Amino acid sequence: AQTVTQSQPEMSVQEAETVTLSCTYDTSESDYYLFWYKQPPSRQMILVIRQEAYKQQNATENRFSVNFQKAAKSFSLKISDSQLGDAAMYFCAYRSGGTQGGSEKLVFGKGTKLTVNP
Amino acid sequence: KAGVTQTPRYLIKTRGQQVTLSCSPISGHRSVSWYQQTPGQGLQFLFEYFSETQRNKGNFPGRFSGRQFSNSRSEMNVSTLELGDSALYLCASSSGTGGPYEQYFGPGTRLTVT
Repeated sequence: AQTVTQSQPEMSVQEAETVTLSCTYDTSESDYYLFWYKQPPSRQMILVIRQEAYKQQNATENRFSVNFQKAAKSFSLKISDSQLGDAAMYFCAYRSGGTQGGSEKLVFGKGTKLTVNP
Repeated sequence: KAGVTQTPRYLIKTRGQQVTLSCSPISGHRSVSWYQQTPGQGLQFLFEYFSETQRNKGNFPGRFSGRQFSNSRSEMNVSTLELGDSALYLCASSSGTGGPYEQYFGPGTRLTVT
């Protein structure tokens, strides 16, 4: 079974600074997808960024980027120029690949609570 | 496009009762997944329905069940409620065709069992 580990229960960052959230995962599969989701206090889960395992290039979405190290099974999230609105719980998630008889099941880490200080 | 909706948003039940939660996916989405979120266990996968069939199931007791209708709306039912069932229940919808496509989450139903 796949597992996702987020070793930092809480992190804090100064506004406009950069912060990196860690995530490691364990799988024997070669085809999979990795996601970072954000859950602000309003509780609506929002996708931040995604990475296909077969892609070597790290995904980037505006101020958000990942460092995907497939051999090390590591998938960290870097937030640049942090804003007050970035304060939230961040969840790393894994999903198996394949489209035939597959599943949308996400395996989540325990989450990292990010505080942004003004 | 309307987002994923869940009803009710809040629910208070007593032990031993049963409860039904509803999820309406984004139009055109055929897959609905359910997750239980608690402070202790985090986010745990309950089950996924695709085209009215349960495609995957998490490690939960048989008291947790679900179904999906022809319009892709889904319900989950919890029978004989226990205090430990208090949680935020999230549903997520997607096309169900795999790939790196996003799952869209609803706002959740907060269930409190007393």
